[in-house]
Amino acid sequence: EAGVAQSPRYKIIEKRQSVAFWCNPISGHATLYWYQQILGQGPKLLIQFQNNGVVDDSQLPKDRFSAERLKGVDSTLKIQPAKLEDSAVYLCASSTLGWGNYGYTFGSGTRLTVV
Amino acid sequence: DQQVKQNSPSLSVQEGRISILNCDYTNSMFDYFLWYKKYPAEGPTFLISISSIKDKNEDGRFTVFLNKSAKHLSLHIVPSQPGDSAVYFCAASAETSGSRLTFGEGTQLTVNP
Repeated sequence: EAGVAQSPRYKIIEKRQSVAFWCNPISGHATLYWYQQILGQGPKLLIQFQNNGVVDDSQLPKDRFSAERLKGVDSTLKIQPAKLEDSAVYLCASSTLGWGNYGYTFGSGTRLTVV
Repeated sequence: DQQVKQNSPSLSVQEGRISILNCDYTNSMFDYFLWYKKYPAEGPTFLISISSIKDKNEDGRFTVFLNKSAKHLSLHIVPSQPGDSAVYFCAASAETSGSRLTFGEGTQLTVNP
């Protein structure tokens, strides 16, 4: 089966600019997650979708971050305006509703550098 | 509030020997634990998991041990191979938090030939 696809792989922007990341989950996976991984730290959940509804966005900085999952498939994560501290790898993951013993499947991530 | 901690940023072992990676947690509501492995420029990949009703789970060269009273889990890799060199993340979930995973900071394992 195809994995979780993310694009772009790398992005460099200046602070105060906007940026968007795209994710295509594994076919049939109802749940989609966006995680932020800052260098030297573990991934931190930003937002979780189930189909096209938001389940958990408690750790999403809503003043600058937004995400959507139209039609319950692909998802985009946007940052506007970006700050230096947003430099991180943004990981998308997907899972079935009951992910059982196997956790999520992660994409390769988008490495964002804000200068 | 770091609920999952991996206190060793790095670990170096010789090929063929045992690698032991440790993880501590503070949230007593966590009831499921997972280990992920991450190579550079790739996303984390699932390695092995354990439910809080067990104290050990084994899969080939990988064994995870859970000590609930100490809120501690460990991953044993025997024998270690150079291809095991990667960053290992410990993660935990609580039924009350749905499928959200809380990750530790990761441990860089280097297996020397």
